[in-house]
Amino acid sequence: DGGITQSPKYLFRKEGQNVTLSCEQNLNHDAMYWYRQDPGQGLRLIYYSHIVNDFQKGDIAEGYSVSREKKESFPLTVTSAQKNPTAFYLCASSFGTGGRLGSETQYFGPGTRLLVL
Amino acid sequence: GESVGLHLPTLSVQEGDNSIINCAYSNSASDYFIWYKQESGKGPQFIIDIRSNMDKRQGQRVTVLLNKTVKHLSLQIAATQPGDSAVYFCAENRRTGRRALTFGSGTRLQVQP
Repeated sequence: DGGITQSPKYLFRKEGQNVTLSCEQNLNHDAMYWYRQDPGQGLRLIYYSHIVNDFQKGDIAEGYSVSREKKESFPLTVTSAQKNPTAFYLCASSFGTGGRLGSETQYFGPGTRLLVL
Repeated sequence: GESVGLHLPTLSVQEGDNSIINCAYSNSASDYFIWYKQESGKGPQFIIDIRSNMDKRQGQRVTVLLNKTVKHLSLQIAATQPGDSAVYFCAENRRTGRRALTFGSGTRLQVQP
């Protein structure tokens, strides 16, 4: 059963705490992405990675960190520096970034909803 | 700055009618566009895509039209059903700068029975 999985579905963060959101894919995709979605809003890019051991900041990277040690995994850490972390976090992956037809099409996981206690 | 935008934040249609969701883009370097459907509390699902060398592409009950002259993209849904109720996003691959899709803010489609 191939796809993208995110865990947990819901996550609660205490003030000053770092939390890590998991994203795993078994689609053999090279590229992975993290987005933040606020209620009634679109998707904003946090970080992306086109290859293992390399990643780039997106539009709203402050207060977040990532790692890409394995092709299948792209965990996102929400640090205490992120003062307004309550949001729906979406992970996506794509085969590539446009080198061949359709390779940049992103496929999304089910999301993690982060709430602050 | 340049952006992918939508003409209507909410679209309400009667069940069985056709729906048209619009999207404007301003980056002439964009050469690939995708429509996604997002149901409440779920991740976006791929619906259909189109390359800039095409002006129309059809799927099952959906058609995407691309007008490069006016930088306009539309998604047509035939015989709209209650299960089509969702937020629809367009996304573009700009081919300049950051190598990642840029998403619009979305249109909510409400299907009335």
